[in-house]
Amino acid sequence: GAGVSQSPSNKVTEKGKDVELRCDPISGHTALYWYRQSLGQGLEFLIYFQGNSAPDKSGLPSDRFSAERTGGSVSTLTIQRTQQEDSAVYLCASSLTRAQETQYFGPGTRLLVL
Amino acid sequence: GENVEQHPSTLSVQEGDSAVIKCTYSDSASNYFPWYKQELGKRPQLIIDIRSNVGEKKDQRIAVTLNKTAKHFSLHITETQPEDSAVYFCAASYRRGGATNKLIFGTGTLLAVQP
Repeated sequence: GAGVSQSPSNKVTEKGKDVELRCDPISGHTALYWYRQSLGQGLEFLIYFQGNSAPDKSGLPSDRFSAERTGGSVSTLTIQRTQQEDSAVYLCASSLTRAQETQYFGPGTRLLVL
Repeated sequence: GENVEQHPSTLSVQEGDSAVIKCTYSDSASNYFPWYKQELGKRPQLIIDIRSNVGEKKDQRIAVTLNKTAKHFSLHITETQPEDSAVYFCAASYRRGGATNKLIFGTGTLLAVQP
């Protein structure tokens, strides 16, 4: 079956603009996660969804970052007024029901803020 | 606080030798410990995981050990091959507000297997 997909694969934007990143999890997976990976760095947790609700938003770096999930499926991560330090690869992952299960990652969106 | 430390940050071995990567976690409630492999430009993929009710798990050339008392877990790769070259991440589940709802990842180990 289809894996986790993300779009766009690459995004170049100017400082101050808003961007939206999309994640399509594996069908039937109720848990969805967003991570950020800066060049040569590890995976930084941003937010977790269980269904449409986000019990843990503790990793969002600032109030410029927000995310939503609708219909228990697609999720959108929005970054407002982008800054150069937002440049990174944004990875989405999903698991069947909970964190203690295999998380399947998408290919990521490479964001470059000029 | 939530933290997973991973060592070494880089590891170079000769083909056929063994490689060991070690991680330490801070949350005593952590009960799930996966390892992910990320090849250059690719997405992370699970290679093995272990739960807190066992101390060791093997899958062909890969094994993971867990010491809950010391809050340590390690990845062992035997008979390394050039295709094992990648960045390896450990992770530990983390409980917040009574619910385990995320993984905390280590900073990664770049493994280079020299032919």
